[in-house]
Amino acid sequence: DTAVSQTPKYLVTQMGNDKSIKCEQNLGHDTMYWYKQDSKKFLKIMFSYNNKELIINETVPNRFSPKSPDKAHLNLHINSLELGDSAVYFCASAHAEGATYEQYFGPGTRLTVT
Amino acid sequence: GNSVTQMEGPVTLSEEAFLTINCTYTATGYPSLFWYVQYPGEGLQLLLKATKADDKGSNKGFEATYRKETTSFHLEKGSVQVSDSAVYFCALSNYGSSNTGKLIFGQGTTLQVKP
Repeated sequence: DTAVSQTPKYLVTQMGNDKSIKCEQNLGHDTMYWYKQDSKKFLKIMFSYNNKELIINETVPNRFSPKSPDKAHLNLHINSLELGDSAVYFCASAHAEGATYEQYFGPGTRLTVT
Repeated sequence: GNSVTQMEGPVTLSEEAFLTINCTYTATGYPSLFWYVQYPGEGLQLLLKATKADDKGSNKGFEATYRKETTSFHLEKGSVQVSDSAVYFCALSNYGSSNTGKLIFGQGTTLQVKP
């Protein structure tokens, strides 16, 4: 069984379009994240939700809007796509062991904006 | 602020060679430290972790020791295999009054192992 799944795996779209990426975890974790990996493989946190509540928003343009309908799902909607949005987006979920959060990552969604 | 610096890659080794990938960090407080591995076309997998000074994380022959005095968490393996070829990320998660568990990553180091 897949622990953290994302759909779609690949997404090719044109500038100006609106698109969504979905993430689901079946691990029973309370906390979920979105990370962006750029073309140089650098990873950066975008958002985090804990029990459906937004707890991290790392100065991401407001064209990006996360939505968490329940604690097993965290979706990412992107409006007015730009060329610079091309990247791989990873969803992750975590449980806390004391003060340490051990994160499990999805397979990623490669977004290409043309 | 919090940051992680890894050695520049790519690192190219022959099979059975000894591997070291350097990682140093800057953090306030008491971070937890992680190594993640990303195989081609896949997501990140947790390789090992250490949550306090002098802890040693180990998994699949890889080891890293949390050194607070040198703010380092270098990854080592005694004998690499072709199947170890991947991108390795050092990361920290900083505990604080608003612990969110977010990971701060180094830039990643590509390892290529040749037969």
